[in-house]
This record gives sequence, structure tokens and C-alpha cells, in this order.
Amino acid sequence: GNSVTQMEGPVTLSEEAFLTINCTYTATGYPSLFWYVQYPGEGLQLLLKATKADDKGSNKGFEATYRKETTSFHLEKGSVQVSDSAVYFCALRRSQGNLIFGKGTKLSVKP
Amino acid sequence: ETGVTQTPRHLVMGMTNKKSLKCEQHLGHNAMYWYKQSAKKPLELMFVYSLEERVENNSVPSRFSPECPNSSHLFLHLHTLQPEDSALYLCASSETQNTEAFFGQGTRLTVV
Repeated sequence: GNSVTQMEGPVTLSEEAFLTINCTYTATGYPSLFWYVQYPGEGLQLLLKATKADDKGSNKGFEATYRKETTSFHLEKGSVQVSDSAVYFCALRRSQGNLIFGKGTKLSVKP
Repeated sequence: ETGVTQTPRHLVMGMTNKKSLKCEQHLGHNAMYWYKQSAKKPLELMFVYSLEERVENNSVPSRFSPECPNSSHLFLHLHTLQPEDSALYLCASSETQNTEAFFGQGTRLTVV
């Protein structure tokens, strides 16, 4: 079946540190891949997406590259800020299918 | 602001009460969704509506009853809930079932 696996959190970093949140997926065919972010007390917001292999999604300094050979879509940011503290969800969607989410990874950034 | 508005933001209800959650989008989207987010669990897809017709119901108890009167509005009617139903209920919409979803801010429900 289709599934998404994210690294367990919480992840605690100091401001300006490098961030990687790992995400791997299992799916038949060629799903679209997404990262969503949930700030405290809020709903989910789409952060970035990639729809085919080797695509790189980017937004607000975050990047993720669709790697079909490793079935991965790791989220990276070169220098995190306190305001990036949130829960990050990796998700996939197959054609004609619904979004399938990972369990989420909580990120805390300390000043 | 994602264009998807949920009301109320917070709701406390007793197990014998009847209440409704409301979701509204004016993005011109054709698909709408209800998700349940509980602590330490993955997001659970509850219901999917496409062009105002329910296309998916993921084994949700009958004490949750969705309604989609038009393409802009989605309701979740609640009755005789249990304390374990306490969670954040998220509404989302998408242009079609193949495109990315936009989420509302959620309703934090507490059943006492």
C-alpha cells in the first residue's frame, strides 16, 4: 500500500543551524509529494511540493528534492529561525488518490 | 490565510449534546475534506466530498455526520460523542482530488 515515513521528533536546533527532516515513501506509480507545516494552534499549510522525479520544491528557504531512486523527499533548510518552530508533515498523493500523511516531525528552534 | 475558514475555533460539548462544525471556502474548489488530528496519531481522513457528493467515508462512526449543501460549504454534525473524540478537526479543500489541499485552522473539540 501507499505510506509515508518521517523521522521521529522532536528535533531541537539552535538558530541558524542546518535542518534536515527525512521522509521516505512507498507508493505504486508516480505520486506527487508535499511538505506541509503546522504552526502552533493553526491548521496545515502547504510549504512546498514536487510532482515528478528530480523536481525540487522550494519555499521560504526550505527545499526538498523528489528522489525516485531512493523514494525520498527530505526537507532541508540552511539556516533555521525561531519562527520555523512547527510540526512538519510529509505527504504523498497518487493520481486519483487522497493525500497520505506521515506522522509529523516537531521542530523546536532555540534562540 | 489559506482561504478555508472553520468555525468555531474551539468547542466544548457534553456527551449528550448536538453540535455542528462549519467549513467554508471561496476558492472555487470542487473537493472538500474532513480530517481528524489526535495527539501522537497520523492525520486521519474522515470524509471526502467531490462536486458535493460524498466519495469516501473511512469507517467513521455514525455519530459523525457530514453535510455538503453546496461546493463552498461543508458541515460536520456531531451527536452523542465520546471523550476519545476530542481532537482537532481540520477541513480542507482542493481544486480537484488530484491537486494540493488547502487547510482551515481547525476546530479544537473537547468532549466532556
